[in-house]
Amino acid sequence: AQSVSQHNHHVILSEAASLELGCNYSYGGTVNLFWYVQYPGQHLQLLLKYFSGDPLVKGIKGFEAEFIKSKFSFNLRKPSVQWSDTAEYFCAVKAIGRRALTFGSGTRLQVQP
Amino acid sequence: DVKVTQSSRYLVKRTGEKVFLECVQDMDHENMFWYRQDPGLGLRLIYFSYDVKMKEKGDIPEGYSVSREKKERFSLILESASTNQTSMYLCASSSSGTGNEKLFFGSGTQLSVL
Repeated sequence: AQSVSQHNHHVILSEAASLELGCNYSYGGTVNLFWYVQYPGQHLQLLLKYFSGDPLVKGIKGFEAEFIKSKFSFNLRKPSVQWSDTAEYFCAVKAIGRRALTFGSGTRLQVQP
Repeated sequence: DVKVTQSSRYLVKRTGEKVFLECVQDMDHENMFWYRQDPGLGLRLIYFSYDVKMKEKGDIPEGYSVSREKKERFSLILESASTNQTSMYLCASSSSGTGNEKLFFGSGTQLSVL
């Protein structure tokens, strides 16, 4: 079965600080990887995704993530966070051939002005 | 824009009641999903459906059932609500096919079982 671990449950940063949120998955086969974000009071929405090709993927609002196959990791990064990045971030994995995504437990990011 | 609409934003029910949560999507998506979201546990898949009248169990199906009689509508049923089913319930939909795994979420139903 596929599973996802997000090690940081709550992260507090000051504006302009750099961000890296960890995500590790466990599945031996080929996977698609995702980061979703939930801003306060809003729907969950897709931030970025990796299917194949360049392991460094860029998403909306300056976010990027790097897929490292040997480490089963898909960490999310942003060089300089803004107060508006305050949200909960979820990593998700979908094994090829499966229909549903498996989500991690989420990381709550709080950016202080 | 894809719209996924959940019938209730907040719901309060009593233990033992039968509860229906409704979800409608307007983009002719084949796949529909029910997740529950709990603090510290993230989203956990309850059930999903990939076609009308087709359903598959997710990771935590116990105490739940689903119905998909029409393509646009996917209902989650709590046969006999219990306090441990107090949670935020999220419906999502997606199109089939490689590259179409993006999920579109509804705004959620916060269910409290007293």
